[in-house]
Amino acid sequence: AQSVAQPEDQVNVAEGNPLTVKCTYSVSGNPYLFWYVQYPNRGLQFLLKYITGDNLVKGSYGFEAEFNKSQTSFHLKKPSALVSDSALYFCAVRDGSARQLTFGSGTQLTVLP
Amino acid sequence: EAGVVQSPRYKIIEKKQPVAFWCNPISGHNTLYWYRQNLGQGPELLIRYENEEAVDDSQLPKDRFSAERLKGVDSTLKIQPAELGDSAVYLCASSFGTINPKTQYFGPGTRLLVL
Repeated sequence: AQSVAQPEDQVNVAEGNPLTVKCTYSVSGNPYLFWYVQYPNRGLQFLLKYITGDNLVKGSYGFEAEFNKSQTSFHLKKPSALVSDSALYFCAVRDGSARQLTFGSGTQLTVLP
Repeated sequence: EAGVVQSPRYKIIEKKQPVAFWCNPISGHNTLYWYRQNLGQGPELLIRYENEEAVDDSQLPKDRFSAERLKGVDSTLKIQPAELGDSAVYLCASSFGTINPKTQYFGPGTRLLVL
């Protein structure tokens, strides 16, 4: 079975500071990893995904994520946070044989002005 | 390009009443998904369609939930009768192509409140 853990329900960061939203996963095979963002009363928006290759994946709005196989992690990062980045962030995983995507419980990011 | 469209955006009903949600995927997307998102949780897949065929409905509570995608485009999800525990956001997503993993694009969701 595949699973995702987002250990922090809430992350607060000051505007202009770097941000990290943590994600760890468990799969039986090679993982495919995704990050989505959800703004209030909106659907999930795709940010980036890791399939294979370079461990550092760059995505939308200046976000990037680092795949670490030994630590089974896929943390989302941004060098300089904006107030407009405040939203709910979801990590998701599937392995090669799985039919469905498994989402984490989400991390609420608040960027303080 | 228009995104995934869902309607209604909000629905309030009394328990035991029926309710239906509608989804129009992104043009050309052959795969359609229905998810349920409970408060404070991530989305959970209910059913997945490849064109008009339901290929994964293992998590759909079939005693009260039903779905259809008759022409392989629009889809409806129905609950009859609704229970208090069905209060959630129902998300529709779509994707295209045959090479996995496919990126899923989500609609805004329908927020259901059952009283």
